Amino acid sequence: DVKVTQSSRYLVKRTGEKVFLECVQDMDHENMFWYRQDPGLGLRLIYFSYDVKMKEKGDIPEGYSVSREKKERFSLILESASTNQTSMYLCASILSGGSYNEQFFGPGTRLTVL
Amino acid sequence: QKEVEQDPGPLSVPEGAIVSLNCTYSNSAFQYFMWYRQYSRKGPELLMYTYSSGNKEDGRFTAQVDKSSKYISLFIRDSQPSDSATYLCAMRKGGGSYIPTFGRGTSLIVHP
Repeated sequence: DVKVTQSSRYLVKRTGEKVFLECVQDMDHENMFWYRQDPGLGLRLIYFSYDVKMKEKGDIPEGYSVSREKKERFSLILESASTNQTSMYLCASILSGGSYNEQFFGPGTRLTVL
Repeated sequence: QKEVEQDPGPLSVPEGAIVSLNCTYSNSAFQYFMWYRQYSRKGPELLMYTYSSGNKEDGRFTAQVDKSSKYISLFIRDSQPSDSATYLCAMRKGGGSYIPTFGRGTSLIVHP
């Protein structure tokens, strides 16, 4: 059974804290993504990575950074958490090559910043 | 105007109804069209995947793509309370681009 796992389902942090969200996939996918999902705004792409140590900004990268040291692991970092970063964070991965490539999602991390 | 437009709903229907969910888009380069289902507090999961125009059927679900109108639909026959979820349309270009563009999602409620 293929899997994308995220380190936490629920997380509560204080303003100004450094926050790490971890994502691991076991499908040997080259491409990994971080999204945030907010009511009325849908899924918004924060960053993606198409290879180890490679990263590209998505639509809303401000306030976030990422790290991909190993193919299976993609981390999202909030350097100094703010209340407007309270959201559902979703990690996803997809294989390169082929046509009908399915993007697999993790279960999400609901982050609350107080 | 967003590249992909999707009515957020909620759409409330009685059990057994035929449901029609729709998205419009503006980018004619999109070639692959997807529907994801997302239950509350879960990640999205792929429901249907089509290429170019035409219909695709899988059980009670039918995906339809009309590229000339830039319009895609998902039909659910004999809807069940277990179909209650948010449905997200997504689409992407061909070639080496694997980044889909998502609609905002439509919340569907099927009541017994």
